[in-house]
Amino acid sequence: GEDVEQSLFLSVREGDSSVINCTYTDSSSTYLYWYKQEPGAGLQLLTYIFSNMDMKQDQRLTVLLNKKDKHLSLRIADTQTGDSAIYFCAESKGGSYIPTFGRGTSLIVHP
Amino acid sequence: EADIYQTPRYLVIGTGKKITLECSQTMGHDKMYWYQQDPGMELHLIHYSYGVNSTEKGDLSSESTVSRIRTEHFPLTLESARPSHTSQYLCASSDPGQRGSYNEQFFGPGTRLTVL
Repeated sequence: GEDVEQSLFLSVREGDSSVINCTYTDSSSTYLYWYKQEPGAGLQLLTYIFSNMDMKQDQRLTVLLNKKDKHLSLRIADTQTGDSAIYFCAESKGGSYIPTFGRGTSLIVHP
Repeated sequence: EADIYQTPRYLVIGTGKKITLECSQTMGHDKMYWYQQDPGMELHLIHYSYGVNSTEKGDLSSESTVSRIRTEHFPLTLESARPSHTSQYLCASSDPGQRGSYNEQFFGPGTRLTVL
């Protein structure tokens, strides 16, 4: 099975909250990441969380980590059309390890 | 904004041609990577480098080769392109030592390759 799993699509109305979910299999993962890819561009790091944390908040973004269930989520409050992009979940065992990426979730924001 | 560049952005070539995809970064990062990205599929690591004269194959078997003669430059070469090589190729760099112990990767905009 895949090391990092995400659903492929999410559609939300502008102004609503978006929640993108991710599960991973490696219990020794120490860093979990969320990257954003806009059309025609490369990936850009949105946020990351260390495995000893349960939650991290940064403006409209909230990351929740359930280490027991190996489940990571990204919540975007007040979703805007500019948030439409592909969001990739990734995990790594530490700075010297190369992250493993999921397939990406396409977030579509409609008026 | 990341200072990592890829050329060309788009390339359409015929089967059997030799091609080189260029990647350069001005951040002085030691680590560089090549990924292959297809729609709805996870990013597949095809090559990486820990520094000058260091190259390693990634998880995905690839018929491409790479070189790292200078820190800032990490080109990827296909000796004989085939339709199965049609994909998006992303280059990235990182330097965990500068950013602490998490490994933030900085990505280029990608090269969209189509082999006819």
